[in-house]
Amino acid sequence: RKEVEQDPGPFNVPEGATVAFNCTYSNSASQSFFWYRQDCRKEPKLLMSVYSSGNEDGRFTAQLNRASQYISLLIRDSKLSDSATYLCVVNPDRGSTLGRLYFGRGTQLTVWP
Amino acid sequence: GAVVSQHPSWVICKSGTSVKIECRSLDFQATTMFWYRQFPKQSLMLMATSNEGSKATYEQGVEKDKFLINHASLTLSTLTVTSAHPEDSSFYICSAFPGTSGFTDTQYFGPGTRLTVL
Repeated sequence: RKEVEQDPGPFNVPEGATVAFNCTYSNSASQSFFWYRQDCRKEPKLLMSVYSSGNEDGRFTAQLNRASQYISLLIRDSKLSDSATYLCVVNPDRGSTLGRLYFGRGTQLTVWP
Repeated sequence: GAVVSQHPSWVICKSGTSVKIECRSLDFQATTMFWYRQFPKQSLMLMATSNEGSKATYEQGVEKDKFLINHASLTLSTLTVTSAHPEDSSFYICSAFPGTSGFTDTQYFGPGTRLTVL
């Protein structure tokens, strides 16, 4: 079983739409969770961390459900520039001292005009 | 912000040769760096944790004799793909974070190295 599972999509939405991604992780002891964004043939870039209380950064909202081992990302008012692959990322190490990250396969998003 | 560079950005080699990829933290020191591999339409897969001054820690299923890692200084880690074969063709990415705290929110990725083995 993979550490992090994501629906690969693709999601094709018009500008202004709201789109939601989700992923599940297998290690219940995981402590840190993130969403990264990766553009084609580029390195991943941190979009936001995910906290149990939920957190919001502009048009982006992330949620964590530890009981279900489920992470979500909501993008409101989609922009053309949001087109990318969104990676669900988990640090499996308690205490976060090792810094290892396990990536999901990524969900591809295309926003069209 | 913190910058991580990789060299080369793109390499083509013949089967059986060895290829060295460098990962440098340009404006900070990194006790720990990480090496990932990404095949087309697949996830980034953590290969190993590179520790300055000590042996690398490899993830399960990654051959340490195949992928040699050296972290000789606080700003440089190298990955050598030995006796490369076409199935080693992939996108190799390194990451590092400033300091020694292991605070993963500030982990920075290099731009990646695309390896093609003929």
